[in-house]
Amino acid sequence: QVQLVQSGAEVKRPGASVKVSCKASGYSFTSFAINWVRQAAGQGLEWMGWMNPNTGDTGYAQKFQGRITMTRNTSTSTAFMELVSLKSEDTALYYCARVYHGGSWVLDWGQGTLVTVSS
Amino acid sequence: DIVLTQSPDSLPVSLGERVTISCKSSRSVLSTSNNRNYLAWYQQKPGQPPRLLIYRASTRESGVPDRFSGSGSGTDFTLTISSLKAEDVAVYYCQQYYSTITFGQGTRLEIE
Repeated sequence: QVQLVQSGAEVKRPGASVKVSCKASGYSFTSFAINWVRQAAGQGLEWMGWMNPNTGDTGYAQKFQGRITMTRNTSTSTAFMELVSLKSEDTALYYCARVYHGGSWVLDWGQGTLVTVSS
Repeated sequence: DIVLTQSPDSLPVSLGERVTISCKSSRSVLSTSNNRNYLAWYQQKPGQPPRLLIYRASTRESGVPDRFSGSGSGTDFTLTISSLKAEDVAVYYCQQYYSTITFGQGTRLEIE
């Protein structure tokens, strides 16, 4: 079955960076886009961007432009999301998500990675 | 960006009740090229990632009980639960994928 397994929780200082991984299995990694969505505690879902694992093409939400980078390693079927210049407001649960045909609905979600930004 | 506004923010409900949740878009999410609405609905329970319920506004995902249905077109959409069960208590989100991706703010169902 499809699985997206994310890396473990992180605690970072303001101004630092974080890189979250998402290892895919159970399907052809290069055939479906990976999106990243975050959720602050008790809050709603916030879309961060997408990546085409086949080409490496990316698209980021305006809010994160300049601070976010999405990459992948096709040999290990792993996607990565790096966020730099962290602020306390970046404290959230970060999800990777397998999306049907690029930008559309989410078929499967990772379990989430909690990133805490605190001095 | 397309803004999705759900109503209500929270909804006290009773078991067996018919429940409707509204999602209004700041712009049409209907594609004129294929006549499809680019809107999905998700259910999220505490401590879990969201679960896809509906895509293309009204197509139920495989395995989703038929008490869940989606309707609407253009800018106005509705998620309906025909007869609420205890396991349906959750937060529900709409999502548009017409122009990048955005989510509604969520609607929380609470047992009265």
